[in-house]
Amino acid sequence: GAVVSQHPSRVICKSGTSVKIECRSLDFQATTMFWYRQFPKQSLMLMATSNEGSKATYEQGVEKDKFLINHASLTLSTLTVTSAHPEDSSFYICSAPNGGYNSPLHFGNGTRLTVT
Amino acid sequence: TQLLEQSPQFLSIQEGENLTVYCNSSSVFSSLQWYRQEPGEGPVLLVTVVTGGEVKKLKRLTFQFGDARKDSSLHITAAQPGDTGLYLCAGGGGAGSYQLTFGKGTKLSVIP
Repeated sequence: GAVVSQHPSRVICKSGTSVKIECRSLDFQATTMFWYRQFPKQSLMLMATSNEGSKATYEQGVEKDKFLINHASLTLSTLTVTSAHPEDSSFYICSAPNGGYNSPLHFGNGTRLTVT
Repeated sequence: TQLLEQSPQFLSIQEGENLTVYCNSSSVFSSLQWYRQEPGEGPVLLVTVVTGGEVKKLKRLTFQFGDARKDSSLHITAAQPGDTGLYLCAGGGGAGSYQLTFGKGTKLSVIP
């Protein structure tokens, strides 16, 4: 079945540094990918929609200059958390639809970011 | 804006008991999906329902889509500790949209 690979699974960084998270669709092409943030025991909060070859669409309240998204190919989207602060510590998950509109989403296994 | 109200938010039951999780909205969805997420992992699709009134079974799990396609339920029979996890419902936005609307999730704990 369709697989979405997310890397790294865990990262610890110091405050003020930047961290890049990769999301790859392994056996299908994804013109659209989604990035979420998830707090403990809570649902997914959509941060942005990543569009191949064009600018990402950010949800209200998400700083586009802080959370840089690049979707340079049909199988890779990256999320860069710039100038990270402890409050950015969270679980970040990407997903991609494998099919047409309203098709199920295939999720990466998430990245646990800890900013010290 | 489409919203999905999911209930209960937390549920702790004994092994062998039955339970139902509800997902309700005032909006019509073209499809509704249920996902299960374990700690430290991404959600995994359990089922997709697309027709009003549709019922799908996955072993001890029964999923139903409301006749008006505004609500859905997940019923688990004889819950097992392996059913523990976060259950998420998600509604499809219709033509021209890949984006899903997620409910807030139900954190299920099945105690042996």
